Amino acid sequence: QKEVEQNSGPLSVPEGAIASLNCTYSDRGSQSFFWYRQYSGKSPELIMFIYSNGDKEDGRFTAQLNKASQYVSLLIRDSQPSDSATYLCAAYSSASKIIFGSGTRLSIRP
Amino acid sequence: ETGVTQSPTHLIKTRGQQVTLRCSSQSGHNTVSWYQQALGQGPQFIFQYYREEENGRGNFPPRFSGLQFPNYSSELNVNALELDDSALYLCASSLGGGGETDTQYFGPGTRLTVL
Repeated sequence: QKEVEQNSGPLSVPEGAIASLNCTYSDRGSQSFFWYRQYSGKSPELIMFIYSNGDKEDGRFTAQLNKASQYVSLLIRDSQPSDSATYLCAAYSSASKIIFGSGTRLSIRP
Repeated sequence: ETGVTQSPTHLIKTRGQQVTLRCSSQSGHNTVSWYQQALGQGPQFIFQYYREEENGRGNFPPRFSGLQFPNYSSELNVNALELDDSALYLCASSLGGGGETDTQYFGPGTRLTVL
């Protein structure tokens, strides 16, 4: 079992809709979680981090964390074509290092 | 822009050769982490340095080694290159000692191709 799991996609969402990206993790000792966006051929850029149960909002983005279910999600409201990218979920593991999932490809169709 | 730079951008080597990749962190960032990202995969943690000391290591063989310097620059050295070493190599810098809320900022990466 991978430590951080994501559906590889592609996830296709119409422009203006809500995109929902999900991630599960296996290490119950993980306390902090990160969402990165990566455009093709580019390096990851941080969107949000979350370490408390519940929701955290930043503009069009909302991160959700449920430690009991070991589940993290990212919602993107009013999706734009520029949101088309791979989204990487990462967990700060109890071994003190950041573990990344394989990423979900998101495609926003006009 | 994250303020983290890497060089070179692209590199082609042959099997058995050695390579050195370089990273310049944001000023004041004491921690640098190196990752290997194969095509279609997420970044895999290689190792981390905090104030010039190795602070953790992933599942990579000893032929992957690193250094961090007082001027916020660092190196990743790979000896005896193998075909599977072909990947995007990313460095990421952060302020603190790599703790749970220590956000990492990535450089643009070095694309290494091993022939």
